[in-house]
Amino acid sequence: DIQMTQSPSFLSATVGDRVTINCKASQNINKYLNWYQQKLGEAPKRLIYNTNSLQTGIPSRFSGSGSGTDYTLTISSLQPEDVATYFCLQHNSGPYTFGAGTKLELK
Amino acid sequence: EVQLVESGGGLVQPGRSLKLSCAASGFTFSNYYMAWVRQAPKKGLEWVATISTSGSRTYYPDSVKGRFTISRDNAKSSLYLQMNSLKSEDTATYYCARRDTFDYWGQGVMVTVSS
Repeated sequence: DIQMTQSPSFLSATVGDRVTINCKASQNINKYLNWYQQKLGEAPKRLIYNTNSLQTGIPSRFSGSGSGTDYTLTISSLQPEDVATYFCLQHNSGPYTFGAGTKLELK
Repeated sequence: EVQLVESGGGLVQPGRSLKLSCAASGFTFSNYYMAWVRQAPKKGLEWVATISTSGSRTYYPDSVKGRFTISRDNAKSSLYLQMNSLKSEDTATYYCARRDTFDYWGQGVMVTVSS
């Protein structure tokens, strides 16, 4: 199985900050990498698919990049409503596997 | 608007069975693969099962293979997860998700396996 190592586990940032969250795969996942946001008590929401495609309706301050084994979610200017847990998913090969999550809070 | 609403969760004893349901709306259900994903308390997410559009193909990780069965009723726009021989480690929130790449998710339903 492909292991997804997500970092950091916890992140505290200020409104307006540029925030980056990383996922490293144990092998090449050919850009088949999604990012999700989960707010407390809500269903997970897909933000980015296939590394850098923005899901419809998601603000443009969210972006994704990467290739091979290393991938990044960037929030260009953190907003209060971005407080959530973020996690990645590799869907290159089964079983599809998730990162452990990054809890993002406001400083 | 895509909506997925899970039901059927609860407290069940180890070794017993439980069946989860997911009611879908806002899209043509029969056109999409569907899946179940779970999240154990204070743990990460784990893919549990996927089913093809017709239901003829199903996929499971080793952790549930032989115990869980995913199925669907396209006429009712409904997805199911039959869980047998439940173990304490199956305790989790179970999410219904659209597509094998999980583009939309339901709110989840809690399953607690405990004596």
